[in-house]
Amino acid sequence: NAGVTQTPKFQVLKTGQSMTLQCAQDMNHNSMYWYRQDPGMGLRLIYYSASEGTTDKGEVPNGYNVSRLNKREFSLRLESAAPSQTSVYFCASSEVKWTGGNTIYFGEGSWLTVV
Amino acid sequence: ELKVEQNPLFLSMQEGKNYTIYCNYSTTSDRLYWYRQDPGKSLESLFVLLSNGAVKQEGRLMASLDTKARLSTLHITAAVHDLSATYFCAANNNNDMRFGAGTRLTVKP
Repeated sequence: NAGVTQTPKFQVLKTGQSMTLQCAQDMNHNSMYWYRQDPGMGLRLIYYSASEGTTDKGEVPNGYNVSRLNKREFSLRLESAAPSQTSVYFCASSEVKWTGGNTIYFGEGSWLTVV
Repeated sequence: ELKVEQNPLFLSMQEGKNYTIYCNYSTTSDRLYWYRQDPGKSLESLFVLLSNGAVKQEGRLMASLDTKARLSTLHITAAVHDLSATYFCAANNNNDMRFGAGTRLTVKP
């Protein structure tokens, strides 16, 4: 019963380094999302993919890129990490992009620290 | 722009007591979500509310939606320690989903 799987769970980066967060879902969902969560704040949408082959910017896309590799996988890349990108990152998926009452399922989170 | 505000942000309550968390949103929303998050964990879906007057209940938690007032409430009845967590609401408008800052609930014996 995997659901949404993210890797890595923890990562420390130096300023300027790059890295990719991987996300995979096994629920055959069409839509996938990347959020960040900062202390005292709700989740903020970075990018989303309504369906395979499409991606769109969310609320806070600057400094990030995404790839919807196939229906299962949606990766988030930090090209040149900055301390402001220290955060907890959550990947999520849903059957259809927020239509109807479809539940959005979240991964376990990836804790990223940029020093 | 859709904005979501929750209050209170921190809530400490005694076991057995009742309390309500409020979620206001700034523009029309076609659905309202409530999530629970335990420390260091992911978000767990509690309720999805789709229409004005919708009410859903699960155990000691009951969520309602008033679309005219742009208000959703999460009512806690006879709180128990296991309900200690952070609760988030999220509103959706035209495929733009925004979260509130969360309410950190602590239930004390």
